[in-house]
Amino acid sequence: AQSVTQLGSHVSVSEGALVLLRCNYSSSVPPYLFWYVQYPNQGLQLLLKYTTGATLVKGINGFEAEFKKSETSFHLTKPSAHMSDAAEYFCAVSDLNKLIFGTGTRLQVFP
Amino acid sequence: NAGVMQNPRHLVRRRGQEARLRCSPMKGHSHVYWYRQLPEEGLKFMVYLQKENIIDESGMPKERFSAEFPKEGPSILRIQQVVRGDSAAYFCASSPRDGSTDTQYFGPGTRLTVL
Repeated sequence: AQSVTQLGSHVSVSEGALVLLRCNYSSSVPPYLFWYVQYPNQGLQLLLKYTTGATLVKGINGFEAEFKKSETSFHLTKPSAHMSDAAEYFCAVSDLNKLIFGTGTRLQVFP
Repeated sequence: NAGVMQNPRHLVRRRGQEARLRCSPMKGHSHVYWYRQLPEEGLKFMVYLQKENIIDESGMPKERFSAEFPKEGPSILRIQQVVRGDSAAYFCASSPRDGSTDTQYFGPGTRLTVL
């Protein structure tokens, strides 16, 4: 069965610093992978997704993620954090018609 | 194009009452998914429906929970005889085709509080 592990339930960075949120997956088939962001009391918004093709995926708000099959990873990065990036981030893998989510990483950005 | 609509946004029920959560998918979307988010946890899949059909209910509790997506009108998630453990945020998502590769678009959620 598919599963997702997000290392680090909380990550804190300074404004302008690199953001790195980790995601490892387990999948018996080629995975389809997603990153979603959730702002307080709101629904989830898709940041980016990987299905096939180029392993470096660019998303909205300057985020990108790289699919590394050998490491079963799909880490999310952003070169320079902004205060508005403070939110909860969820990695997910597709399992037939449903998404399997990690437990989330809460990103804090300090001025 | 309006996004996924959910109502109510907040719902308070006493133990033993019924809760009805509504979800209107994005225009043109015929696939609906329900997820539950318990406090401090990620989202957990509950059920996947197409118009008038339940396709996958593997995440639904066996008792008290039911879902439907009629030919006309919104999808409904119904919880009978609610208990405190049902307190959670319930999210609906929709997609134009099956969700294996297609993006699922999420609504703002319904936050259920059981007193």
